[in-house]
Amino acid sequence: KNEVEQSPQNLTAQEGEFITINCSYSVGISALHWLQQHPGGGIVSLFMLSSGKKKHGRLIATINIQEKHSSLHITASHPRDSAVYICAVRSFGADGLTFGKGTHLIIQP
Amino acid sequence: GAVVSQHPSWVICKSGTSVKIECRSLDFQATTMFWYRQFPKQSLMLMATSNEGSKATYEQGVEKDKFLINHASLTLSTLTVTSAHPEDSSFYICSAHLGGVRETQYFGPGTRLLVL
Repeated sequence: KNEVEQSPQNLTAQEGEFITINCSYSVGISALHWLQQHPGGGIVSLFMLSSGKKKHGRLIATINIQEKHSSLHITASHPRDSAVYICAVRSFGADGLTFGKGTHLIIQP
Repeated sequence: GAVVSQHPSWVICKSGTSVKIECRSLDFQATTMFWYRQFPKQSLMLMATSNEGSKATYEQGVEKDKFLINHASLTLSTLTVTSAHPEDSSFYICSAHLGGVRETQYFGPGTRLLVL
């Protein structure tokens, strides 16, 4: 079973700061997702990665398959970025995702 | 982008009753849908994988007779919590798998269940 670890668990930063959230997993995967969950519970898929790097607006996600590690970066952070960010992986041979516990991000104005 | 809806968004029921939750992919056909559960301050946990026209595959520890899943069409999967108990109170989320070049999963908004 894949173990997914995220760090930090909680992060408070000032508006404008560069944010990095890390995710590591224990077993080879076919895909890694970064998700955003707002207080109401709804989940938005930010990225799906299987290699390299993806960028969408102020968000950047990278993955290193050899090191079994991924990072999510937020540039020029804004209070509306405050949410729980969840890393989820799909292991080889599996359909469903295994989730990390999430990183609770608060961006203060 | 693709949209997945869930209904109802929240439900309160008495212990012993059954509750049905619907998950619909609104603008694409999903051969596979997933059901997840999230307890307060916990990570999401996969309950079952639902494939259109076949029996769902349940994760270890999830009772298939208690959590009935029906994936009758390419746009609809239902989860029925039978004989609900207070410990079934949780946040239930579905996701729909979109294959092909744009492969990804789209998540529903979730259903908050409270069993009294």
